[in-house]
Amino acid sequence: NAGVTQTPKFRILKIGQSMTLQCTQDMNHNYMYWYRQDPGMGLKLIYYSVGAGITDKGEVPNGYNVSRSTTEDFPLRLELAAPSQTSVYFCASSTTALGTKNIQYFGAGTRLSVL
Amino acid sequence: TQLLEQSPQFLSIQEGENLTVYCNSSSVFSSLQWYRQEPGEGPVLLVTVVTGGEVKKLKRLTFQFGDARKDSSLHITAAQPGDTGLYLCAGGPESSASKIIFGSGTRLSIRP
Repeated sequence: NAGVTQTPKFRILKIGQSMTLQCTQDMNHNYMYWYRQDPGMGLKLIYYSVGAGITDKGEVPNGYNVSRSTTEDFPLRLELAAPSQTSVYFCASSTTALGTKNIQYFGAGTRLSVL
Repeated sequence: TQLLEQSPQFLSIQEGENLTVYCNSSSVFSSLQWYRQEPGEGPVLLVTVVTGGEVKKLKRLTFQFGDARKDSSLHITAAQPGDTGLYLCAGGPESSASKIIFGSGTRLSIRP
């Protein structure tokens, strides 16, 4: 049972480099989310998607881009990495955003350091 | 900006004691969730509350949603070392249920 799979698990970037964090889910969920979690803090929503072809900004979208060409995949792109983007990134998916049926399943996270 | 404030930030208690963690906001939420997160892992959902005044129990954990749907609490009875972890509340504001907001978390440590 794969659930939500994130790759890579760890990455070190130099300032100004670009990379894509991959996220795929095999549960046929419409909703997918990207969060970042700074040390000792809660999660902040970067972007979310309610279905293939539809994305929207969350709390902290600056410096990131997303796309949702398929139901399964929701990659997160960092174009010009900055030290402020050092964080742990979590991808999640759910069947819906509403009420008791909103069970978000999280990936194991990608730990990113920008030096 | 809609915020979920959790208190306390840190809590260290002896095994067998009771504790309560709070999650407060000035905004109304359509639903509110509690998660537990272990180091190096993603959060895992414990419960979702939807109706104002709702109380849900999960073994030794009791969750309550405020009547006005602006706050919630998590009460643990007879805490055990296995309860150690980061507890997060999260909610979908009534104005935009898809934009899930997380609290900053309560780091709980239970001493044997």
